[in-house]
Amino acid sequence: KAGVTQTPRYLIKTRGQQVTLSCSPISGHRSVSWYQQTPGQGLQFLFEYFSETQRNKGNFPGRFSGRQFSNSRSEMNVSTLELGDSALYLCASSRTSGGEVGTDTQYFGPGTRLTVL
Amino acid sequence: GIQVEQSPPDLILQEGANSTLRCNFSDSVNNLQWFHQNPWGQLINLFYIPSGTKQNGRLSATTVATERYSLLYISSSQTTDSGVYFCAAQSGGSYIPTFGRGTSLIVHP
Repeated sequence: KAGVTQTPRYLIKTRGQQVTLSCSPISGHRSVSWYQQTPGQGLQFLFEYFSETQRNKGNFPGRFSGRQFSNSRSEMNVSTLELGDSALYLCASSRTSGGEVGTDTQYFGPGTRLTVL
Repeated sequence: GIQVEQSPPDLILQEGANSTLRCNFSDSVNNLQWFHQNPWGQLINLFYIPSGTKQNGRLSATTVATERYSLLYISSSQTTDSGVYFCAAQSGGSYIPTFGRGTSLIVHP
């Protein structure tokens, strides 16, 4: 069974631009969560989607948004990029979610490393 | 929000040694997870353990919710255990996981 895939793996953008990252979950998984990892702030939860609906959202500005498609694939978008958005963005999928992120085993993708210059 | 602290921040072991990693949290939790991130950045969900004890091979975890801590035990460590171990907690009013800063483990052959 194929794992979670994320594209692109590496990305370089300049301040003010916008970026879209993609995550394809494991087949049959309906929950997709996104995380940001930086040296300064560590791992932080961004949002979780289940059946095309955003169910949970972390404490990030509105420049960070996402969506989930009917096939459970998810995208996240960051508009008006700032230097501080440079990070490893991880997505994770799980079969179901009772509303709490992590009640079912999450499987992580390899991440997208975003560099903002 | 809930505060999550992990100790020790760094740990260096010889292959075959045992270790205990600790995660303290500031509030009652309804969810506690342990993760391992290998040196190449791949994150693996190890345990979902809001209370009690679970074991998976050489790894086991115990959460004492009433005393607000969780422990991850690694027995007979191997070089492949190297990486960073994170715990993440969710308190009653929030479905958002809060992560600790992690314990960086290096296992030498």
